[in-house]
Amino acid sequence: DTEVTQTPKHLVMGMTNKKSLKCEQHMGHRAMYWYKQKAKKPPELMFVYSYEKLSINESVPSRFSPECPNSSLLNLHLHALQPEDSALYLCASSRVRTDTQYFGPGTRLTVL
Amino acid sequence: EDQVTQSPEALRLQEGESSSLNCSYTVSGLRGLFWYRQDPGKGPEFLFTLYSAGEEKEKERLKATLTKKESFLHITAPKPEDSATYLCAVQAGNKLVFGAGTILRVKS
Repeated sequence: DTEVTQTPKHLVMGMTNKKSLKCEQHMGHRAMYWYKQKAKKPPELMFVYSYEKLSINESVPSRFSPECPNSSLLNLHLHALQPEDSALYLCASSRVRTDTQYFGPGTRLTVL
Repeated sequence: EDQVTQSPEALRLQEGESSSLNCSYTVSGLRGLFWYRQDPGKGPEFLFTLYSAGEEKEKERLKATLTKKESFLHITAPKPEDSATYLCAVQAGNKLVFGAGTILRVKS
C-alpha cells in the first residue's frame, strides 16, 4: 500500500483566518514533505521532515508553519495568508530522504 | 546547476498511435530519476524509478528507459485514459528537481 492521505480536499479561507492542512501515511516512511503547486507548473518544495525533524525549509514565509507530531502525521498551519498563496498543496512521503516519494491527493486552497 | 527539461510541452495522439516523451537532465551525481503521472487537480501518481544508464522498466502500455543524459517514456498503443501530465524528476542531493511536464492528450 502506497497511500498518503490529505485533509481537507478543499479549503477556502480569508486572509485573517487560521487553518491547518493534515497529511497521514502508514507505510513506515521516515521522510515527509510539503509541496506547493500552481496551475500548469511542477510542484515546488516547501518543507522536508526527516525522522520527525525539520531538515529543509525552502525559505517559505512564516505564515506557513509545519509540524510533525509523529512519524505518521504531518501538519501545515496557515495564518494570515495572501491570495497568491492559493494553490494545490501536496504532501509526500518516502522511506528515507532520497528514496521514491509518494504523493497524496492534495488540498486545493483558495485564499479570498 | 541541476536542471530537468521535458519535451515536447504538449503532445496530441490518436488512440493507438505510439510515441515517446523525453526528459533530459543535468545533475551532479544522479541518485534516481522518477516518472510521475498527474491528472488535473490531483497529486502526482508514481510510475517508475530508474537509477542507472541502461535500466528499463515497464508497466502496461508504458516503458521508461534511462541513458547518462536523458530518459524516455515510451507509450505503446495509448488509450484516452492515458491522457494526463507526465512529470519527470531527478534526485539532486536531498531534493527532487522536476521538469515542467508534458501534457498528453489521446483522442479516440
